[in-house]
Amino acid sequence: DAGITQSPRHKVTETGTPVTLRCHQTENHRYMYWYRQDPGHGLRLIHYSYGVKDTDKGEVSDGYSVSRSKTEDFLLTLESATSSQTSVYFCAISDGTIQPQHFGDGTRLSIL
Amino acid sequence: SQQGEEDPQALSIQEGENATMNCSYKTSINNLQWYRQNSGRGLVHLILIRSNEREKHSGRLRVTLDTSKKSSSLLITASRAADTASYFCATEGFQKLVFGTGTRLLVSP
Repeated sequence: DAGITQSPRHKVTETGTPVTLRCHQTENHRYMYWYRQDPGHGLRLIHYSYGVKDTDKGEVSDGYSVSRSKTEDFLLTLESATSSQTSVYFCAISDGTIQPQHFGDGTRLSIL
Repeated sequence: SQQGEEDPQALSIQEGENATMNCSYKTSINNLQWYRQNSGRGLVHLILIRSNEREKHSGRLRVTLDTSKKSSSLLITASRAADTASYFCATEGFQKLVFGTGTRLLVSP
C-alpha cells in the first residue's frame, strides 16, 4: 500500500468547534486531495494541492480550508464544525492530475 | 457534478458467478479508471484504460471502453466472497478525477 496515514481515524466533536484532520504521505507525490464520502453522493472533492503552498478548491469547499507547508503533509480544517460536515473524510495522493490515486483509510468525523 | 454514473447501484451474486458493472459518462475523456472500496477502507485503484484502448485485462478483471457510447464496463470473472466491495469508476474533470456513486457488490459463499 502507498504510504498514506490519516489522523485521527475517528473523531466526535461538537458543533462550532474547530477541527483539523491530517494527511501524511511518504511517497513524495506532488498532488494531494481531500474528499468526503456520504451515502448517495459518492466521493466529492473538497480541496486539493498541486505542490507546497499551492491549493485549489474542489466541488464542496465551503466551510473547509486546507494548508500544505511540506510535501508530505496536507491539513484539512473545519473552522467551525457543523452537523452537515459529519462524514467520512479521505485523503488521496497521486503523481498527476488524472493519474491513479492512492487513498488513506479515512477519518470518520461525527459532529453533534 | 458527477461525470461517471455506475449501474447497477447494487448487485448480489453467488461465488463462482461473473459480475458486470457499468459506467456511463458525459464528456470526452483521456482515460477512465476503476476503483474498489472494501467496507471501512479507502479506495484502491484497480485498472486504468486509455481512450484509445477498447479492452484491458488484469487477473480476473476485464474492462471495456466504448467511447462512442461514452460507457465502460467492469467484469469480474469467477467471483469470490473477497470481491464483496463497492466499485467506482472515475473520469476526468478539470485537472482532477470525478468519481461516481459506485456499485455495491455482494458475493455470497
